Amino acid sequence: DEHLVESGGGLIQPGRSLRLSCKGSGVSLGDHSLTWVRQSPGKGLEWVGLIRSRGYGGTTDYAASVQGRFTISRDDSQNMAYLQMTSLKIEDTGVYYCVRDDLLLGSGSYWHVDAHWGQGIPVTVSS
Amino acid sequence: DIQMTQSPSSLSASVGDRVSITCRASQGINTYLNWFQQKPGKAPTLLIYAASSLQDEVSSRFSGSGSGTDFTLTITSLQPEDSAIYYCQQSYRTPRTFGQGTKVEIK
Repeated sequence: DEHLVESGGGLIQPGRSLRLSCKGSGVSLGDHSLTWVRQSPGKGLEWVGLIRSRGYGGTTDYAASVQGRFTISRDDSQNMAYLQMTSLKIEDTGVYYCVRDDLLLGSGSYWHVDAHWGQGIPVTVSS
Repeated sequence: DIQMTQSPSSLSASVGDRVSITCRASQGINTYLNWFQQKPGKAPTLLIYAASSLQDEVSSRFSGSGSGTDFTLTITSLQPEDSAIYYCQQSYRTPRTFGQGTKVEIK
């Protein structure tokens, strides 16, 4: 059975740091880009950032709302990905999902798609 | 950033109805458009990718169409288990932005 399992969430004060982890269980992360998506309470989905696979240079992109505060990294030897969050704000509160990018065949071409989602981990930023 | 706008924000329909949700991109995205379904307390699941390709094990009642800036998700013969929020997402470039969601309720 394939799972992505997030951990490390919880209650944290504004201005502090927190690191989320994402572990692949029965599913390899190494050849895939990995994305973090969050969802504020009662709100929609917000793309946070991604880290590409080593084959694509292992580069990262971030949403403007977290650029400079959040850092995504990976340890393929441990089948793990991480989201380091610093200078946390109240508006960073939400459920954070780890997502594996899969290469899917469609209409005769291959497409990179955020296909495989973890169950999510809540983060609450509050004093 | 590419803005994604869905309509309607919510709809209510009866079992067996055909329903459609539209998604408009602020610029052309070819067919780099995905649809997700999210049920309460659960992670989103992929329904449609590349605008019209059905993800494995997803019911054929779901279909997608469109290219460029205008896209549609159609559910034929709505079922009680289709009650959920549906999101579109562009994967043309990062940030891979989502629409604001469409809540589908069963009358």
